[in-house]
Amino acid sequence: DGGITQSPKYLFRKEGQNVTLSCEQNLNHDAMYWYRQDPGQGLRLIYYSQIVNDFQKGDIAEGYSVSREKKESFPLTVTSAQKNPTAFYLCASSIAANQPQHFGDGTRLSIL
Amino acid sequence: GEDVEQSLFLSVREGDSSVINCTYTDSSSTYLYWYKQEPGAGLQLLTYIFSNMDMKQDQRLTVLLNKKDKHLSLRIADTQTGDSAIYFCAESMFDTDKLIFGTGTRLQVFP
Repeated sequence: DGGITQSPKYLFRKEGQNVTLSCEQNLNHDAMYWYRQDPGQGLRLIYYSQIVNDFQKGDIAEGYSVSREKKESFPLTVTSAQKNPTAFYLCASSIAANQPQHFGDGTRLSIL
Repeated sequence: GEDVEQSLFLSVREGDSSVINCTYTDSSSTYLYWYKQEPGAGLQLLTYIFSNMDMKQDQRLTVLLNKKDKHLSLRIADTQTGDSAIYFCAESMFDTDKLIFGTGTRLQVFP
């Protein structure tokens, strides 16, 4: 089945540690996105990539990094510089820029 | 500036129609979307409408767009308990390829 797979479902981070969230899609989509969701709020864009080997900062990129070495993969690293990382992280993809985005099931990140 | 607003909560009886409303501020949006989120899950794309359309119907779902008032609504006919979830509206910006989300409306369906 085609879809977007995020892993792990739950992740715990220790102080000063970097952690990487995985996002893989087999939909042959060009564009991929990372969002952060905090309780009672909408989603906020962290980073997005419209094509392989290229990505742009979203509204809240500080403390995060991404790479896009393969079309199907767009991992997100939450660095120790992100002081408030506890949130639900959602990955999305679309066939091209400005087309409907489809979401994975999310990763919930907590601080130990 | 970009802003999307929704009411926080809606409660309806099973079998009734639900209407979830959304207002947005940016007139340059290209598409407007409705997403559904169940507890602990990602967002499911329900339907979307191009900004030059007034209405779109898809089975039990009807989307109405009033561009003059910058108002979007989602009507769910014959609401079922499985429709209980949080519903997000979002607008897409042509020049930046990003979605601006509302804060979500929690729909509760009671028997």
